[in-house]
Amino acid sequence: LAKTTQPISMDSYEGQEVNITCSHNNIATNDYITWYQQFPSQGPRFIIQGYKTKVTNEVASLFIPADRKSSTLSLPRVSLSDTAVYYCLVGDKPQAGTALIFGKGTTLSVSS
Amino acid sequence: DTAVSQTPKYLVTQMGNDKSIKCEQNLGHDTMYWYKQDSKKFLKIMFSYNNKELIINETVPNRFSPKSPDKAHLNLHINSLELGDSAVYFCASSRKDRLVQYFGPGTRLTVT
Repeated sequence: LAKTTQPISMDSYEGQEVNITCSHNNIATNDYITWYQQFPSQGPRFIIQGYKTKVTNEVASLFIPADRKSSTLSLPRVSLSDTAVYYCLVGDKPQAGTALIFGKGTTLSVSS
Repeated sequence: DTAVSQTPKYLVTQMGNDKSIKCEQNLGHDTMYWYKQDSKKFLKIMFSYNNKELIINETVPNRFSPKSPDKAHLNLHINSLELGDSAVYFCASSRKDRLVQYFGPGTRLTVT
């Protein structure tokens, strides 16, 4: 089962780039790395998913080194509205035995 | 337009009662999930159904029984409610071949 470890909290200022790292030493060959964002009183929202190297979309970038034992979510030029909890999830397609362990997440606080 | 919807949004009830939470998705996904998020904000998988078939069943008391009448719906019935059941329950869905989940807005259950 791929367990993930993230920093509990991070602080940033508006306009800065924020990098949140997730460790997943036991990642399996078929596992993907998926990041979610959760605002208070809302359900988690999908941000980005990747398997290796780098993935970029309109919201964030995901960097995955060759050994895939960690990944880094990069949020460019954060704003106050990026204050949220960010979860890293590692797993294969949904099937019996798939571990859906969200962990404690990283609480990002953005100040002006 | 809502992709994953849940009803009710709030549910306040007394210990010992039986209650149900409904979930519907209009994304055409084959797989649906129920998660519990407690006061410490840990997000824990409870169940997952793939096209009406139970594929993930974590260690959850028998008082919790999921029901999937069709692949667009996954309801959660809870018998003999206890104080410890108080939490926010999230429904989610995904494609069967990709672990990218779309979450509903959550149902805040309070047991008094």
